[in-house]
Amino acid sequence: AQSVTQPDIHITVSEGASLELRCNYSYGATPYLFWYVQSPGQGLQLLLKYFSGDTLVQGIKGFEAEFKRSQSSFNLRKPSVHWSDAAEYFCAVGANSGYGNKLVFGAGTILRVKS
Amino acid sequence: EPEVTQTPSHQVTQMGQEVILRCVPISNHLYFYWYRQILGQKVEFLVSFYNNEISEKSEIFDDQFSVERPDGSNFTLKIRSTKLEDSAMYFCASSSVGLTDTQYFGPGTRLTVL
Repeated sequence: AQSVTQPDIHITVSEGASLELRCNYSYGATPYLFWYVQSPGQGLQLLLKYFSGDTLVQGIKGFEAEFKRSQSSFNLRKPSVHWSDAAEYFCAVGANSGYGNKLVFGAGTILRVKS
Repeated sequence: EPEVTQTPSHQVTQMGQEVILRCVPISNHLYFYWYRQILGQKVEFLVSFYNNEISEKSEIFDDQFSVERPDGSNFTLKIRSTKLEDSAMYFCASSSVGLTDTQYFGPGTRLTVL
């Protein structure tokens, strides 16, 4: 069965510092991988996705993620964090679901940004 | 920019009552989903819906749950007889293509069962 592990429940970084959020997945086939962000009271917004091709993918708000098949990882990075990045971040793997593509989510990482 | 909308934003109900959560997916999308997130837990898949029928449902989606697309715009989740453990945030999502497309999420409906 598909699963996603986000080992860090909370991360605190200083504004302007770099950020890396970890994600490991378990999926038997070629994974479709996603990072979503959720601000308080908001829905889930897609940051970026990986389907195939270049293993380094760029997303919105200056985020990027690197797919490493050998490590079953899809870590999210940002070189310089802004206070507005404080939110909860979810990694997800897409699993073929009949005609659709259900998402299997990790538990999330809450990012706090200190000034 | 088109977005998925959900109503109500918060629903409070008594145990045993029926609730209907409503979603308006993005207009040209064909695939629809419901997920839920119990407080402090993961976002969990409930059901996917395509071509007016359920594509897949999780073990959570038992006979108390049903989904419907009653017209060309709404997508609803009905819980027939709510239990305390149904208290959660329910998210609707939609996508234009199935396997390789982005799912766009609504803001969620917080369901509180008393």
